[in-house]
Amino acid sequence: AQSVTQPDARVTVSEGASLQLRCKYSYSGTPYLFWYVQYPRQGLQLLLKYYSGDPVVQGVNGFEAEFSKSNSSFHLRKASVHWSDSAVYFCVLSALNTNKVVFGTGTRLQVLP
Amino acid sequence: GALVYQYPRRTICKSGTSMRMECQAVGFQATSVAWYRQSPQKTFELIALSTVNSAIKYEQNFTQEKFPISHPNLSFSSMTVLNAYLEDRGLYLCGAGTGGHSYEQYFGPGTRLTVL
Repeated sequence: AQSVTQPDARVTVSEGASLQLRCKYSYSGTPYLFWYVQYPRQGLQLLLKYYSGDPVVQGVNGFEAEFSKSNSSFHLRKASVHWSDSAVYFCVLSALNTNKVVFGTGTRLQVLP
Repeated sequence: GALVYQYPRRTICKSGTSMRMECQAVGFQATSVAWYRQSPQKTFELIALSTVNSAIKYEQNFTQEKFPISHPNLSFSSMTVLNAYLEDRGLYLCGAGTGGHSYEQYFGPGTRLTVL
């Protein structure tokens, strides 16, 4: 069975600092991976996605993520965070063989001014 | 582009009553529709996945008797929360997919259910 783990429930950083949100997945097939952001009391917004090719994918608002097959990871990064980046971030795995989408538990990011 | 709309965006119902929510895909054919629930302070749980020409598959802890789903065509799906109680409150998300090689679901904004 497939699963997604986000080991950090909460991350706090200062504005302007760099950021890494961790994501580990478990899936025997080819993973399709996504990062979504959920702002307070809103739905999901897609930040970026990885299907194949270059393991570093660029997303919106300066976010990028790096896929590592050997580490079964898909960590999200940003060079310099802004206070408006405060939100909950979800790492998501799409399992082609089941047409199922599996969500991680989410990481709540707080950016201090 | 591919868009997913959900109606209503917010709703309140009394405990023990039922509430129907809708999901509409625009700009693509939704061969699969998944419904998720995000309970307060939690992640998204899959309720059920509906795929064209297949039976609707419910996840453990969710049943057709409690969450009946209709997926009559490639652009529309609805789900009803029957006999809602406090534990049913949360954000209900619809994810519509086209299947195929690079499976991706497009998510709607969600229906936020409050149960009094």
